[in-house]
Amino acid sequence: ETGVTQTPRHLVMGMTNKKSLKCEQHLGHNAMYWYKQSAKKPLELMFVYNFKEQTENNSVPSRFSPECPNSSHLFLHLHTLQPEDSALYLCASSQNRGGGTDTQYFGPGTRLTVL
Amino acid sequence: DAKTTQPTSMDCAEGRAANLPCNHSTISGNEYVYWYRQIHSQGPQYIIHGLKNNETNEMASLIITEDRKSSTLILPHATLRDTAVYYCIVRAQDDKIIFGKGTRLHILP
Repeated sequence: ETGVTQTPRHLVMGMTNKKSLKCEQHLGHNAMYWYKQSAKKPLELMFVYNFKEQTENNSVPSRFSPECPNSSHLFLHLHTLQPEDSALYLCASSQNRGGGTDTQYFGPGTRLTVL
Repeated sequence: DAKTTQPTSMDCAEGRAANLPCNHSTISGNEYVYWYRQIHSQGPQYIIHGLKNNETNEMASLIITEDRKSSTLILPHATLRDTAVYYCIVRAQDDKIIFGKGTRLHILP
């Protein structure tokens, strides 16, 4: 139990569906992250939020839309995904982006399958 | 690109110490050595990190060579639940975490 929770843990969706992934951290952190882990590939950083402001978008397609309403919650809205978007989506949080050693703590992930 | 080199896989007998090596010969003075592990289909778990000095916590010990070009993660008494992929990561304070391929550690009963 790392203090970072993600829901749902598993999601199957069609290419025309719209769904959202939710992440919540109970650590009092100010920075939150979305990562994607495809089969047999290293983790890829997608988005970074610091104090609710998006500070990084690593060339992620617009069919992935993040939202950070407050420092404890992070969403990833999904629409018109492709089968190659099937992956494990991981959320992480850290104290601050821009100070200290910024150790990131990860949630359990959402296993997404796009049919 | 990951700045570290790790063996692809290792075996360790249950109850013995597991010593996982990592080479980071191009490490800069302001870069830390971090270790994470990922048990199958779960999120990565933070283990330990260090800059120059050896570090120990309830999970593991981190031994960093004096020239900082390599390090070893030590799990003092490995259990079956320590079977995972272990990632050695070199990063400065605000850098991205770049996960390489890691070492797949098998704990043998």
